Amino acid sequence: GQSLEQPSEVTAVEGAIVQINCTYQTSGFYGLSWYQQHDGGAPTFLSYNALDGLEETGRFSSFLSRSDSYGYLLLQELQMKDSASYFCAVRPASGGSYIPTFGRGTSLIVHP
Amino acid sequence: EADIYQTPRYLVIGTGKKITLECSQTMGHDKMYWYQQDPGMELHLIHYSYGVNSTEKGDLSSESTVSRIRTEHFPLTLESARPSHTSQYLCASSEWEGAQRSAGEQYFGPGTRLTVT
Repeated sequence: GQSLEQPSEVTAVEGAIVQINCTYQTSGFYGLSWYQQHDGGAPTFLSYNALDGLEETGRFSSFLSRSDSYGYLLLQELQMKDSASYFCAVRPASGGSYIPTFGRGTSLIVHP
Repeated sequence: EADIYQTPRYLVIGTGKKITLECSQTMGHDKMYWYQQDPGMELHLIHYSYGVNSTEKGDLSSESTVSRIRTEHFPLTLESARPSHTSQYLCASSEWEGAQRSAGEQYFGPGTRLTVT
């Protein structure tokens, strides 16, 4: 099975850099994804790591280390609009369903 | 921009009523999903489908049923609504992932916020 752990809440100030961690226990997976969800809104896809290392998309970067069972989302130059919940998800490689498993989500609060 | 729609956006209904939440996507995606999410909480998968005439139950038992008669349409039905069904229901779709490096990105609809009184 799969199990993902994320901090429940992270706070930071505008303009800063913040890292949201995701540790997992899984029997095998294809990759680690990140989604953003604003209050009252729908989750939207941010990034995907199929291989170990860093993937950069503008102000957001995502990292995966399979040997450490660990990944993170890095947000730079924080803006007030980045206040949202962030979910990590894995797509299992076994079982045949390929249904992603989501973490519980991390609420990011950005202060002025 | 994702083309996945849900109706109604908000619904208040009495206990015992039968309701159907609609979900449609125009992207031609084979896979579709229903999630239940309480405010500030995690996503719980309640149903999914690989394609027409294929439906499976997810991790959460929600006393609901789904159907997939057309690729673009994946309605969710509650036969008898209860206050415990009060929640947000999110529909999503994704392409069939053909390769390991594919993200299998899910596109989510705007959600239906259901209140059962």
